[in-house]
Amino acid sequence: GAVVSQHPSWVICKSGTSVKIECRSLDFQATTMFWYRQFPKQSLMLMATSNEGSKATYEQGVEKDKFLINHASLTLSTLTVTSAHPEDSSFYICSARHLETGENNEQYFGPGTRLTVT
Amino acid sequence: AQTVTQSQPEMSVQEAETVTLSCTYDTSESDYYLFWYKQPPSRQMILVIRQEAYKQQNATENRFSVNFQKAAKSFSLKISDSQLGDAAMYFCAYRGSGGSNYKLTFGKGTLLTVNP
Repeated sequence: GAVVSQHPSWVICKSGTSVKIECRSLDFQATTMFWYRQFPKQSLMLMATSNEGSKATYEQGVEKDKFLINHASLTLSTLTVTSAHPEDSSFYICSARHLETGENNEQYFGPGTRLTVT
Repeated sequence: AQTVTQSQPEMSVQEAETVTLSCTYDTSESDYYLFWYKQPPSRQMILVIRQEAYKQQNATENRFSVNFQKAAKSFSLKISDSQLGDAAMYFCAYRGSGGSNYKLTFGKGTLLTVNP
């Protein structure tokens, strides 16, 4: 149980275009989802926290107009990288917090999406 | 803000031996959670072990155990009987408790190599 999927697993897009990444909790409802960015050989950096039905909370330094996050349902959150540039190339990982397990709950991670902007 | 420090960028261990990965953190909170995650080459994050700060007993999961020293703000991971499949990047992470503060703060990671 507690599986999180991401789609696509790898995407290549041209500079100036937008790309959408989906994060789905497959067998549980997630009240909160998190989006991380990971550069090669570096740690995960939290970009934003999204709660179902409300606006995402972005970390300091993350451009909310560039990284659009939508959490329309308890099983789906999307990250749209708008007007992508080569410096946006990175590995994007989402995680989801189980709705019903209370304070002691885990974050379950998706397998990540590799974005390459040419 | 909370910070997590992993002072060992790389570690290596012989198969079947024991290795300890270090982690220290800084926080003003009294209640929180600590985690060790494993990220193999597939890059899928895997939870290895977790520790609740209010628990004095160190967490163990099969070959993995922690040494949690709350006063020293230290949280090391010991891997016993190391296996080739343990080779991965290991991240120490901190999470506060209560309210909406479920964010994880990660250390920079330790790359573990297991030699046959």
